[in-house]
This record gives sequence, structure tokens and C-alpha cells, in this order.
Amino acid sequence: AQRVTQPEKLLSVFKGAPVELKCNYSYSGSPELFWYVQYSRQRLQLLLRHISRESIKGFTADLNKGETSFHLKKPFAQEEDSAMYYCALSTSADKLIFGTGTRLQVFP
Amino acid sequence: DGGITQSPKYLFRKEGQNVTLSCEQNLNHDAMYWYRQDPGQGLRLIYYSQIVNDFQKGDIAEGYSVSREKKESFPLTVTSAQKNPTAFYLCASSIPSGMGGELFFGEGSRLTVL
Repeated sequence: AQRVTQPEKLLSVFKGAPVELKCNYSYSGSPELFWYVQYSRQRLQLLLRHISRESIKGFTADLNKGETSFHLKKPFAQEEDSAMYYCALSTSADKLIFGTGTRLQVFP
Repeated sequence: DGGITQSPKYLFRKEGQNVTLSCEQNLNHDAMYWYRQDPGQGLRLIYYSQIVNDFQKGDIAEGYSVSREKKESFPLTVTSAQKNPTAFYLCASSIPSGMGGELFFGEGSRLTVL
């Protein structure tokens, strides 16, 4: 079965602390993974995708096929990073499966 | 101003009534999607359409119906058969790219059944 698991509903850190939002997936094919973010009063939007191997707003995510994980990391959290983060898995036929989301709170 | 427009933003409905949520896009995207967002459950796919006059059921299609008569429009009808329709509904579109292109989302429609 295709599934995305985000074990943490809420992650609270202080400004400047490292952040890691966990994401594990279940998929028998070759996965394509994404992180989407929803800031307060804004639309859900793409943050980054594994195929791009890029860093967006200081965030990075590495696909680990052995551990079936795609954790999102940032070395120094900022208050403006506070948002809802969703990990998503793309299967064939352009279908995106989302995890349940993790709310990141960054305190000053 | 390009993007995805959902309407209405808020909708109240009595039990037993059907209601249709509108989704329009001017991004010239082929694929469109409807998701339901519930607290603690993330986004769950209701229906999606990769091309005009074609659509497929997602994971929670029961009690919902859609049509795709025009490329720009993908309305969602929440029927009286949907047992728990109160939710936040998100529409999205993308350029199909075989393995998932970037999804562009609307602002959402919140449906409350009284």
C-alpha cells in the first residue's frame, strides 16, 4: 500500500535550534517525494522536491531509500518557519498522497 | 492574475442537501484535483482529472461526484450520501509530468453541514 507517515503532529523549537521533520513512506515503485508548506493564512505551496536536490529557505531533504525516509531539515530555525508541513509521495498517474502533516512552532 | 479560484469560501448546508463547490483555473493546466483536509488526517484525495472529460476516483470518493467538461473547471458536488461532509476542501491543478508535477492550490472552501 502507498502511504506517507509523519509521526509528529507538533514540533516546537526555539529560534536558532536545528529542526528535523520526519517523513517515512511506503511504496513499491520508484518514489518521487515532496515537501509542501502552509503558512498562516496562505495557500498550501511546494517547498521542495527530492529530485531537485535543492535547498529552499535553508531547508533540505534527502531521500533515503534504505530507510524509506525523506526527512526535512534546517540547521537554524527562524520564527517565520512556523507553519504546517506536509510530506507527499507521487505515484504514477500524477497522483499525490499526503501525510497527516506536522505543525512547526518556532519560539523567539 | 493567474491561479486557482475556489468558491464559495464558506458554505452552510442542511442535511440531505447536495452542494457544489466551484474550482476554476487559468493556468492552462491539464490536471486538476480535489482534496479534503481534516484536522489530524492531512489531505485525502477525493477525485482527480488528468484531461478534459476524464476523471478518476481518489481514496475517499464515496458520496462525491465531479465533472470535467472544460479544461478550466472542475466542480465538486458533495451529495447527501456523504456521511460526514463537514470539512475543508482544497482544489489543485498541475501540469502532468508522468510522476507528479508541482501542485498549485486554491484557498479552499469550508463546508459546514447543519
